[in-house]
Amino acid sequence: DAKTTQPNSMESNEEEPVHLPCNHSTISGTDYIHWYRQLPSQGPEYVIHGLTSNVNNRMASLAIAEDRKSSTLILHRATLRDAAVYYCILRDRYNQGGKLIFGQGTELSVKP
Amino acid sequence: DAGVIQSPRHEVTEMGQEVTLRCKPISGHNSLFWYRQTMMRGLELLIYFNNNVPIDDSGMPEDRFSAKMPNASFSTLKIQPSEPRDSAVYFCASSLGSGSSGNTIYFGEGSWLTVV
Repeated sequence: DAKTTQPNSMESNEEEPVHLPCNHSTISGTDYIHWYRQLPSQGPEYVIHGLTSNVNNRMASLAIAEDRKSSTLILHRATLRDAAVYYCILRDRYNQGGKLIFGQGTELSVKP
Repeated sequence: DAGVIQSPRHEVTEMGQEVTLRCKPISGHNSLFWYRQTMMRGLELLIYFNNNVPIDDSGMPEDRFSAKMPNASFSTLKIQPSEPRDSAVYFCASSLGSGSSGNTIYFGEGSWLTVV
C-alpha cells in the first residue's frame, strides 16, 4: 500500500489560514488522495478528496502537486472547531475496494 | 438522515465475558466497515463487508473476534472471551459502493469498550 507522511502536529491561530501538508512519493496513478478528520471523542469525518486537479468544497481546499507526490489541505479560516486530527489517505481505486487505511495523521490545535 | 448508529456507546465488562457491539449502517449503503482505535495503534481496519459478504477480514486480531452481517441494516462485532487488551473505541462505518474510491465513508460515534 502506498504510504503518506504527515507532520505529527501543527498549531494555528483562529481565523488564520492553515496549510496541512502530506507527502506521498509512492503514489500510483490510480490512487485518490482523501482527507478525513477526527474531532475529539468523535468518529472520523470526510473532508475532501481529489485525483489530479485542485479541489474546493465548503470545508476546505485540496492543492495537489503537479507530480502528485504531495498535497496540501487548506483551511481558509481556522476556527476552534477545526481542532482535530487530520488524516491524509491514499485510496486505490481498484485494489483495495472501498476501505480506508489510516496513518497517524496531523493533530491540529487552534489558538484563540 | 440518522447516520451510522452504534450501540452500546459505552461498555465496561470483566475479562472473560462476551462482548457484542452492534451497528446499523446508513440506509441504502452496501459497504460496512469495523475499525478499532487505540492510543498505541491508532485506527485499524478490522473487517469490511460488501453487500453483506465479508470481503477482507485480515485485520481481525484473532479467533476471539468475529463479525456478522445478517442483513443490509445490521452488523455485529463479537469478542469472546474479552481481554483487557481489547479495550478500545470500536467504530462502525458505511458507504455506498465499494470499488469507486470517491465514495465517502461515514463513521458512527463509536463504542467505547473497557475490559477490566
